[in-house]
Amino acid sequence: SAVISQKPSRDICQRGTSLTIQCQVDSQVTMMFWYRQQPGQSLTLIATANQGSEATYESGFVIDKFPISRPNLTFSTLTVSNLSPEDSSIYLCSVEGAGLGYGYTFGSGTRLTVV
Amino acid sequence: SQELEQSPQSLIVQEGKNLTINCTSSKTLYGLYWYKQKYGEGLIFLMMLQKGGEEKSHEKITAKLDEKKQQSSLHITASQPSHAGIYLCGAAESGTYKYIFGTGTRLKVLA
Repeated sequence: SAVISQKPSRDICQRGTSLTIQCQVDSQVTMMFWYRQQPGQSLTLIATANQGSEATYESGFVIDKFPISRPNLTFSTLTVSNLSPEDSSIYLCSVEGAGLGYGYTFGSGTRLTVV
Repeated sequence: SQELEQSPQSLIVQEGKNLTINCTSSKTLYGLYWYKQKYGEGLIFLMMLQKGGEEKSHEKITAKLDEKKQQSSLHITASQPSHAGIYLCGAAESGTYKYIFGTGTRLKVLA
């Protein structure tokens, strides 16, 4: 299955600033997914990033707040803009595993704390 | 929309004890995945179940999908501190490409 390198692993950011999270995959993948895991809650899909097209955002998430780039088939970034304490979460990227029985592979996550 | 509900939300067991985590879907499942998440780390894929009545095992962890394909259980035999973490079930939402997750079960194993 694919191996994902996600960074940074954690960051503490000031209110009003932005944080860009990077995910590098060791193989070419069509779709990459970005998730948010708020404290004590399950994962919520933010958006799906396809190479060469605009990301598709889920209800409650907008491009101005969570701009995504997908310049090629192995890389994507998620920016969390105009940070507020409510943005403090773990952010994860994910790709589909190689083959039906391999599930989805996830990055190691980025733990964001906004102060 | 489809939802996955997990129970219990948290579990504390003594080392060596067996335990079961359940995942119930509001709609038929066409692929149910189990993941484990350790604190500060990403999700680790454990196993996938697809067919009604299917059962898979890996080391001391066994997962089952019921015949109606709406409920799955994850059973850990003779638990160890290394089993501690958050267990999540996940599935592709019926009719869409979206992936949904259960609410998670936080497991603590006391040595």
